[in-house]
Amino acid sequence: DAGVTQSPTHLIKTRGQQVTLRCSPKSGHDTVSWYQQALGQGPQFIFQYYEEEERQRGNFPDRFSGHQFPNYSSELNVNALLLGDSALYLCASSFFSWDRESDTQYFGPGTRLTVL
Amino acid sequence: GENVEQHPSTLSVQEGDSAVIKCTYSDSASNYFPWYKQELGKRPQLIIDIRSNVGEKKDQRIAVTLNKTAKHFSLHITETQPEDSAVYFCAASGSGGSNYKLTFGKGTLLTVNP
Repeated sequence: DAGVTQSPTHLIKTRGQQVTLRCSPKSGHDTVSWYQQALGQGPQFIFQYYEEEERQRGNFPDRFSGHQFPNYSSELNVNALLLGDSALYLCASSFFSWDRESDTQYFGPGTRLTVL
Repeated sequence: GENVEQHPSTLSVQEGDSAVIKCTYSDSASNYFPWYKQELGKRPQLIIDIRSNVGEKKDQRIAVTLNKTAKHFSLHITETQPEDSAVYFCAASGSGGSNYKLTFGKGTLLTVNP
């Protein structure tokens, strides 16, 4: 049973460029959340995708966008990169249930993005 | 929105001692409180979680307690071992029917000295 996977592992970009990060959820999960973790900080929620739609969004600018595919995998896109976007980007998957009793989020290994 | 405060930011204990990390949250409607352990360069791993209909939960050397009235919850690790050394994050979620995000504390660096 594969866990949450992310690609690439590391990425180096320059200011103004665009980047796409990818996530495959744990088998049986249908929901993908994205978090940004700056060095020495806790993860910050970017957005969550369910049924191929953005269900909830955190306090991130429109430069951050995403997509979820029919197989539940997801992409995070960041446009017009800034130095401050350098961080570890974590994807977490979960299974949505209406009683909210089984929506535990499991994290992938992350993508380390460095913006120069 | 939800705000989660975590203390202490660093904690050093001797092997075999107990460690306690405390978190407070601001949104009284939050009802799910997980704890994650993150080793250097690795993913956050869920170690234990608790929902608001439960006051305490144990899993071997790890326990979590929840006080909804005071809006705080704590992680207790007994008989600490060097491999327990890591950064621990508390989080809160689930307030209301449409809040799915985890709001994290800033983390506690736990060092267990042999």
